[in-house]
Amino acid sequence: DTGVSQNPRHKITKRGQNVTFRCDPISEHNRLYWYRQTLGQGPEFLTYFQNEAQLEKSRLLSDRFSAERPKGSFSTLEIQRTEQGDSAMYLCASSRRASPRAGELFFGEGSRLTVL
Amino acid sequence: DAKTTQPTSMDCAEGRAANLPCNHSTISGNEYVYWYRQIHSQGPQYIIHGLKNNETNEMASLIITEDRKSSTLILPHATLRDTAVYYCIVRPSSLLSSNYKLTFGKGTLLTVNP
Repeated sequence: DTGVSQNPRHKITKRGQNVTFRCDPISEHNRLYWYRQTLGQGPEFLTYFQNEAQLEKSRLLSDRFSAERPKGSFSTLEIQRTEQGDSAMYLCASSRRASPRAGELFFGEGSRLTVL
Repeated sequence: DAKTTQPTSMDCAEGRAANLPCNHSTISGNEYVYWYRQIHSQGPQYIIHGLKNNETNEMASLIITEDRKSSTLILPHATLRDTAVYYCIVRPSSLLSSNYKLTFGKGTLLTVNP
């Protein structure tokens, strides 16, 4: 257990529905990241928060995806009008501020999304 | 970020040392080498990182060549629980916000056999 909690762990939904995932990072970590991982691939970066500010978004993050971290603590990732191609593991990670320790990301166990 | 090249898969006998190579020939002077691993159905786990010198911690040793163009992760006494995908990642040490993320490749699947 890394201390990063993700919910739900598994979500099955029908195409076109909206889904939301929650991530609770380690409490003293001010940086939070979302990644997506499909079968046989390494995790792909989606977005990054420093406190409540969303500082970077990948081009993978289409306008159907939105992420928030309203009080600089937990974060949510919402996918609207889900498509079958959205089926993946969604991973959240957190880290401390100071470099080089900023490269030590602590990952949660992920939320697996299946879109039927 | 510099690109890394790793073998797709490797096997190792339980109790023996596992040596996982990584090529990062385009690494620049301010880039660190990080190693993570991902056990099936879990999130990636940090193992070790280094800049120039060899590093050792309770999990593994990291050997970086003098020209920094390649590195080797060593698990001294591999166990069945070390079966995982191992990722070698190069990341700048700059304080630019875009450099805080890690860019994963496909990694090396290490299978430790009894």
